[in-house]
Amino acid sequence: NAGVTQTPKFRVLKTGQSMTLLCAQDMNHEYMYWYRQDPGMGLRLIHYSVGEGTTAKGEVPDGYNVSRLKKQNFLLGLESAAPSQTSVYFCASSSGPSGYEQYFGPGTRLTVT
Amino acid sequence: DQQVKQNSPSLSVQEGRISILNCDYTNSMFDYFLWYKKYPAEGPTFLISISSIKDKNEDGRFTVFLNKSAKHLSLHIVPSQPGDSAVYFCAGLHYGGSQGNLIFGKGTKLSVKP
Repeated sequence: NAGVTQTPKFRVLKTGQSMTLLCAQDMNHEYMYWYRQDPGMGLRLIHYSVGEGTTAKGEVPDGYNVSRLKKQNFLLGLESAAPSQTSVYFCASSSGPSGYEQYFGPGTRLTVT
Repeated sequence: DQQVKQNSPSLSVQEGRISILNCDYTNSMFDYFLWYKKYPAEGPTFLISISSIKDKNEDGRFTVFLNKSAKHLSLHIVPSQPGDSAVYFCAGLHYGGSQGNLIFGKGTKLSVKP
């Protein structure tokens, strides 16, 4: 089992460019999450999904969109990148409320210049 | 409004001694508290949890204590090992919605010196 994987591991964007981060999990988990972590900060929830075809906003959703077309994949999109979106992005999954433990991917380091 | 607070950004401990990492919270609706460990360039990994109806949970060298009246929890690592050097995040979980979202503290960087 690979667990939770993220693609790419690193990316540099210019302001205004767009990109999509891919998260995949092979644990058949219902719930998936996107977080960002900034220096000196904890992880903050961007968007999450409680099942295929459903998404919802987290704490810091502005400037991001997500899609969950397949149960195993959760995509995070930046339509017009801004320097404030420079961060490390983590994807996580869990089996649901009764399985509260979240499993995290290795992260994507994004720099917007 | 920070619902989960880790007021010590860093902690240094000698190998073999006890490490105590502290966490305070303001949301009395949390159902569970979790500790995650994070090494550089890796994602956080789950370490140990405690239900809000318990006051202690132990797993090997790791013990978490919960004091609900003080809204305080702590993670004890005994004995500390150099491999324990990492950033430790405390997180609270409330099942009020259906999403099971974790609210994280800012983390405490633990350094265990040989």
